[in-house]
Amino acid sequence: GAGVSQSPRYKVAKRGQDVALRCDPISGHVSLFWYQQALGQGPEFLTYFQNEAQLDKSGLPSDRFFAERPEGSVSTLKIQRTQQEDSAVYLCASSRDPRLAGLGTDTQYFGPGTRLTVL
Amino acid sequence: LAKTTQPISMDSYEGQEVNITCSHNNIATNDYITWYQQFPSQGPRFIIQGYKTKVTNEVASLFIPADRKSSTLSLPRVSLSDTAVYYCLAGGTGRRALTFGSGTRLQVQP
Repeated sequence: GAGVSQSPRYKVAKRGQDVALRCDPISGHVSLFWYQQALGQGPEFLTYFQNEAQLDKSGLPSDRFFAERPEGSVSTLKIQRTQQEDSAVYLCASSRDPRLAGLGTDTQYFGPGTRLTVL
Repeated sequence: LAKTTQPISMDSYEGQEVNITCSHNNIATNDYITWYQQFPSQGPRFIIQGYKTKVTNEVASLFIPADRKSSTLSLPRVSLSDTAVYYCLAGGTGRRALTFGSGTRLQVQP
């Protein structure tokens, strides 16, 4: 079956522009995660959804970052008034079992990421 | 959050066994240890997960001593395609399960 897909794969924005990054999780996966990965670093947790409910957004770096998953499937990560420090790869992952998600026992399936460059 | 420490990089040759050790001194009782592999321009891919002793699957083995303060990922007979970054995670509920760290860059030479 299809894996996690993300679009666009590459995005170039001018400083101050708003961007929207899309994630299509694996069909039937209840949990969805967003990560930010800077060059040469590991992924950093941003936020987590179980169905349409955003259960943890403690990793969002500022109020310019906003994520939603209104119907419990596709998710969008929006960054307002982009800054150069927002340049990174944004990764989306989904997992199957809501009872286990976040317990360290559920496998996360990652998309290829969106590389955002802010000029 | 359960902080993990791994070597920054490792070099090996094709056909050798590679062991990558991760320390997680403040691991909690409910925490599991999970390893992911990441190739350039791709998202991380799950390799293996364990709680204690030894776990083996078709690609790797995971050794966890009784005190669980460290773990070792073992890759048998590596090939060039195993060149990647390997991440160790030690966590339990919620965000404790989702801290990647900087990973170990494994370079396999012919």
